[in-house]
Amino acid sequence: GDSVTQMEGPVTLSEEAFLTINCTYTATGYPSLFWYVQYPGEGLQLLLKATKADDKGSNKGFEATYRKETTSFHLEKGSVQVSDSAVYFCALISPGGTSYGKLTFGQGTILTVHP
Amino acid sequence: NAGVTQTPKFQVLKTGQSMTLQCAQDMNHEYMSWYRQDPGMGLRLIHYSVGAGITDQGEVPNGYNVSRSTTEDFPLRLLSAAPSQTSVYFCASSYYGGGGTEAFFGQGTRLTVV
Repeated sequence: GDSVTQMEGPVTLSEEAFLTINCTYTATGYPSLFWYVQYPGEGLQLLLKATKADDKGSNKGFEATYRKETTSFHLEKGSVQVSDSAVYFCALISPGGTSYGKLTFGQGTILTVHP
Repeated sequence: NAGVTQTPKFQVLKTGQSMTLQCAQDMNHEYMSWYRQDPGMGLRLIHYSVGAGITDQGEVPNGYNVSRSTTEDFPLRLLSAAPSQTSVYFCASSYYGGGGTEAFFGQGTRLTVV
């Protein structure tokens, strides 16, 4: 079945540091890939997505590139801010049939950014 | 646009009680799903629906029932609450279109079973 593996957390950085959160996946065909963010006490918000190989999703300074050859979708940001402190989830939806109702999530990575 | 609305936001139940978590969406999405979030385990799929009248089990369906009588609503029922069902529950709706697919989430229901 489908699976998503994220780097272990928590991740603690100083403001303006470079961020990478690794994400690899196992799925059949060409899944759509997502990064969701959850701020304290809130629900999940879509951060960015990519629907085919070599697509780059970007939003709020975050980027991730869909790498089919390495089955990866690593999240990066060049300079983090305190306001980026949150839990980040990598997720996928496999194409076809009833699968559009089902997201498969990684375990989440807690990011804390200090001033 | 309200998006996905979940109620209640918080709930405390005693072991053995039953309750229904409500979920409604106003985006006319075909697909709706329920997840539970537990520390260190990400979100796990409980049940999902691909349209009115059609539901199926996800990864962790035991102890939960769902129905989908309308496109808009997808309630989750706990038949006899157990402490292991203490969790945060999220409802989501999603679509498939020319630009691919995307899921939209409610704000969550924090459930404690004592």
